[in-house]
Amino acid sequence: DTGVSQNPRHKITKRGQNVTFRCDPISEHNRLYWYRQTLGQGPEFLTYFQNEAQLEKSRLLSDRFSAERPKGSFSTLEIQRTEQGDSAMYLCASSVGTDRSNYGYTFGSGTRLTVV
Amino acid sequence: KNQVEQSPQSLIILEGKNCTLQCNYTVSPFSNLRWYKQDTGRGPVSLTIMTFSENTKSNGRYTATLDADTKQSSLHITASQLSDSASYICVVSLGSGGYNKLIFGAGTRLAVHP
Repeated sequence: DTGVSQNPRHKITKRGQNVTFRCDPISEHNRLYWYRQTLGQGPEFLTYFQNEAQLEKSRLLSDRFSAERPKGSFSTLEIQRTEQGDSAMYLCASSVGTDRSNYGYTFGSGTRLTVV
Repeated sequence: KNQVEQSPQSLIILEGKNCTLQCNYTVSPFSNLRWYKQDTGRGPVSLTIMTFSENTKSNGRYTATLDADTKQSSLHITASQLSDSASYICVVSLGSGGYNKLIFGAGTRLAVHP
């Protein structure tokens, strides 16, 4: 296991198109998180899964955004009808559910989305 | 309001010099504080993590301090190298809720010049 894997690394799309990103967490991690990061800012929380259950969603996650984790392993984040303001780095992280201290909290390398 | 503020926003130093980055937080209840290094175009990588009872933690040339009374932390980089050029993000973990929500600072962008 080489850590949290995100695909694709980069995505350029035209405004109005739909895009989907994938995250493969560390295999023994049952918690998975999505973040959005814009230039010069820290990551902003989008949503969180424990196993296949989506337990929390940020107000940043508009109706155009949807995330799934159907089998409690990999997750997908879909953005419909993309807007230029969606351009950002989308980060995935995972951790162990029993780890209250988040010592095992690990980020992926992110997917850089550019909407033109 | 739970917030993490970092200073300076950006910093330029010469290779071989030391530097100290600052982090102030107003997060309650507090669980732990960690420093991340984020290279351009990459995800954050954890450098150190400290709980309430720890006031210093080292990882090679990186030394983090925590003063839980004043709610301040610092990251000291010794004998800087060109590869230290990155953003350094201070992150505080909330000690409540179904999961440990992380509160991120905006980061300090460090440039090490030869």
